Amino acid sequence: ILNVEQSPQSLHVQEGDSTNFTCSFPSSNFYALHWYRWETAKSPEALFVMTLNGDEKKKGRISATLNTKEGYSYLYIKGSQPEDSATYLCAFNNAGNMLTFGGGTRLMVKP
Amino acid sequence: GAGVSQSPSNKVTEKGKDVELRCDPISGHTALYWYRQSLGQGLEFLIYFQGNSAPDKSGLPSDRFSAERTGGSVSTLTIQRTQQEDSAVYLCASSLDRFRVNEQFFGPGTRLTVL
Repeated sequence: ILNVEQSPQSLHVQEGDSTNFTCSFPSSNFYALHWYRWETAKSPEALFVMTLNGDEKKKGRISATLNTKEGYSYLYIKGSQPEDSATYLCAFNNAGNMLTFGGGTRLMVKP
Repeated sequence: GAGVSQSPSNKVTEKGKDVELRCDPISGHTALYWYRQSLGQGLEFLIYFQGNSAPDKSGLPSDRFSAERTGGSVSTLTIQRTQQEDSAVYLCASSLDRFRVNEQFFGPGTRLTVL
């Protein structure tokens, strides 16, 4: 059983705050690390797929970094907005395209 | 373009009844996955299909669960003799090819409630 952990489980921030959360995963047999954003009543939406140690990816105010040697990835949101409220999921891929998901970080941004 | 679709969006059933959940993947996607999220839990892998290969059923929680994929496209997840612990959101996803690092595209899910 692969252990993919996310912290914190939930997070409340004020609009305009910057925030970050963590995904930890096994450092052996790494293939890829995915980040998804899941808004209530919608489908999970892919944010990033990262494959190389040291990868940094950015989409608007959201960015992510990857450390495969120590087995962690950070997701950063700069200047949080209420529409950023969602559950952020990371998923570890160790072979082919099988994903093991973390429990998610539920972000709530207060206006 | 059409994304992954699932039906029904909501299903309420009585304990002991059988249910069928349907998934239409994105056209051309050869890999199809079923997951579920129970209350307070993360996404749990159930089964995946890749082309015409035998499916990987390693995530199915019991023999009451089965799935098939007809013609390499539409998939049906069947739960027999439903139990209250089967209540969850069942998500289907598809991707271009299991052997490449492709993002998985998710459907909106079916919320199953077993009374």
